Amino acid sequence: QKEVEQNSGPLSVPEGAIASLNCTYSDRGSQSFFWYRQYSGKSPELIMSIYSNGDKEDGRFTAQLNKASQYVSLLIRDSQPSDSATYLCAVIGGSNYKLTFGKGTLLTVNP
Amino acid sequence: DTGVSQNPRHKITKRGQNVTFRCDPISEHNRLYWYRQTLGQGPEFLTYFQNEAQLEKSRLLSDRFSAERPKGSFSTLEIQRTEQGDSAMYLCASSSLRADYGYTFGSGTRLTVV
Repeated sequence: QKEVEQNSGPLSVPEGAIASLNCTYSDRGSQSFFWYRQYSGKSPELIMSIYSNGDKEDGRFTAQLNKASQYVSLLIRDSQPSDSATYLCAVIGGSNYKLTFGKGTLLTVNP
Repeated sequence: DTGVSQNPRHKITKRGQNVTFRCDPISEHNRLYWYRQTLGQGPEFLTYFQNEAQLEKSRLLSDRFSAERPKGSFSTLEIQRTEQGDSAMYLCASSSLRADYGYTFGSGTRLTVV
């Protein structure tokens, strides 16, 4: 079992819709969870971090964490074509420093 | 502070040649990480420094790979006797001791071995 798994995608949504991205992780000792956005040919950019169960909202982005289910999600409301990118889920596990990434989900927002 | 800087941005080399990449982290960050990313995959951990000490190396880092961080400032990643399978994006990131605040990544070095 991979340490961090993301829904395989690609995901395509119309402009203005809600995009939902999901991630599960295997290390129950994980305490820190992140979503990075990566445009084609560019490096990952941190967009959200979440540390406790529940929802965390930042503008059009909402991260959700359920540690009992070992599940993290990212919702993007009012999706824009500029949101088209690969979204990487990343987790810091028991090591307290090493960030482990999923494969990423490619999101395309169609005008 | 201009963020994490990586050089060169692109490198094309012939199989069997040695290559070296440089990373300059955010100045106040104690921790520095190297990752490798191939097409369609997430970044994979290679190695990690806290100040000048290399504290972990992935099994992905064969003996052809070596990384240094002299004086706890910039870091270099050298690949000896490059192989076509080494073609990838090499990403450097840095963080404070509170890595759970997240990493900041550099722009990466794209290596193509021909």
